[in-house]
Amino acid sequence: KAGVTQTPRYLIKTRGQQVTLSCSPISGHRSVSWYQQTPGQGLQFLFEYFSETQRNKGNFPGRFSGRQFSNSRSEMNVSTLELGDSALYLCASSFGLGYEAFFGQGTRLTVV
Amino acid sequence: AQSVTQLDSHVSVSEGTPVLLRCNYSSSYSPSLFWYVQHPNKGLQLLLKYTSAATLVKGINGFEAEFKKSETSFHLTKPSAHMSDAAEYFCVVSDLRGNEKLTFGTGTRLTIIP
Repeated sequence: KAGVTQTPRYLIKTRGQQVTLSCSPISGHRSVSWYQQTPGQGLQFLFEYFSETQRNKGNFPGRFSGRQFSNSRSEMNVSTLELGDSALYLCASSFGLGYEAFFGQGTRLTVV
Repeated sequence: AQSVTQLDSHVSVSEGTPVLLRCNYSSSYSPSLFWYVQHPNKGLQLLLKYTSAATLVKGINGFEAEFKKSETSFHLTKPSAHMSDAAEYFCVVSDLRGNEKLTFGTGTRLTIIP
């Protein structure tokens, strides 16, 4: 079956712009989580959605937001981009509690 | 609260020798524990998981891990390293309270010496 699909794979944006990243989970998975990975901070949890509801949120500023649609696809948005937002953004999907998460290839965002 | 500590940021072993990547966890509830592997410029792939069944868990590519509650450890092992095992490995904890948040360790970079 198809895995988790993230688009785009690579993105270059300018400071102050906004960006939207997309994640299509594995069919049947209702939980989608987002993570930011940087060399300095490692993997950090952004937020998690289950059936269109945000259940958990990490410690990121309000510039980072997300949503989930009725088909479980999810988007995350970052407004007013800063240089420090340059990172690999990973999306993971799962059936829910206690199940393993399957990760997409990630979107590499570079802010210049 | 939950946390995970990977005791080594970098491990180097010779090809054909055993691999040991150490992980200690902290969780207020019965945890689920996972090991993920990340090859360069790739997403994370699940190696194995522990969810309160057998304490010795076998995963893909010959890896296994043992859950030791008394030591709060979940170390990853492999009897014989292969060049393709070179990657970053993450130990991950998730409690079972309905919180889907995965807490990642800082990662261990495994280098295989030919």
